[in-house]
Amino acid sequence: QKEVEQDPGPLSVPEGAIVSLNCTYSNSAFQYFMWYRQYSRKGPELLMYTYSSGNKEDGRFTAQVDKSSKYISLFIRDSQPSDSATYLCAMSMNTGFQKLVFGTGTRLLVSP
Amino acid sequence: GAGVSQSPSNKVTEKGKDVELRCDPISGHTALYWYRQSLGQGLEFLIYFQGNSAPDKSGLPSDRFSAERTGGSVSTLTIQRTQQEDSAVYLCASSPQPGGYNEQFFGPGTRLTVL
Repeated sequence: QKEVEQDPGPLSVPEGAIVSLNCTYSNSAFQYFMWYRQYSRKGPELLMYTYSSGNKEDGRFTAQVDKSSKYISLFIRDSQPSDSATYLCAMSMNTGFQKLVFGTGTRLLVSP
Repeated sequence: GAGVSQSPSNKVTEKGKDVELRCDPISGHTALYWYRQSLGQGLEFLIYFQGNSAPDKSGLPSDRFSAERTGGSVSTLTIQRTQQEDSAVYLCASSPQPGGYNEQFFGPGTRLTVL
């Protein structure tokens, strides 16, 4: 079993929909939780990060972390065709360096 | 400003050949990471550099894989006697410092195909 599980999708939604992306994890030592967006043939780019539990909002994006359930979510409001990409969750422990452990990524398709 | 760059962007090689992949991190970033992204897999950590030293090589899949970093800047990942299972996208990332939380900035990757 992988340390981080993520549904690969694809997830297809119409423009304007609210999108919910999720990951579960098994290692309770994870303290930092990140969401990356990756367009085809590009490197991942950081969308949001959260330390420990709680919510964080940035424009149309909201990240939630529930450490008691080992479950993290990313919500995208008013989704746009330009949001079509692969979304990767990533986690790390609070150690001397950031060794990121990634989910497999969820491919999101937003149709006009 | 300049981001992380990687070269070549694509590499096709024959099984058994050696390949070198290059990463130029963002200037001033002391931490450098290599990851591998295989089809259907997430990114897998390979190795981490702090300056020119590699405190963590735990992700290197076999002794055919090695990496070095010189001048606290450019890094090279070398794969000897390539195998078909080495086919993947190899991604490099850099961050300002290793401790606490520091965003890792990723390059575009090198797509390696082993025939």
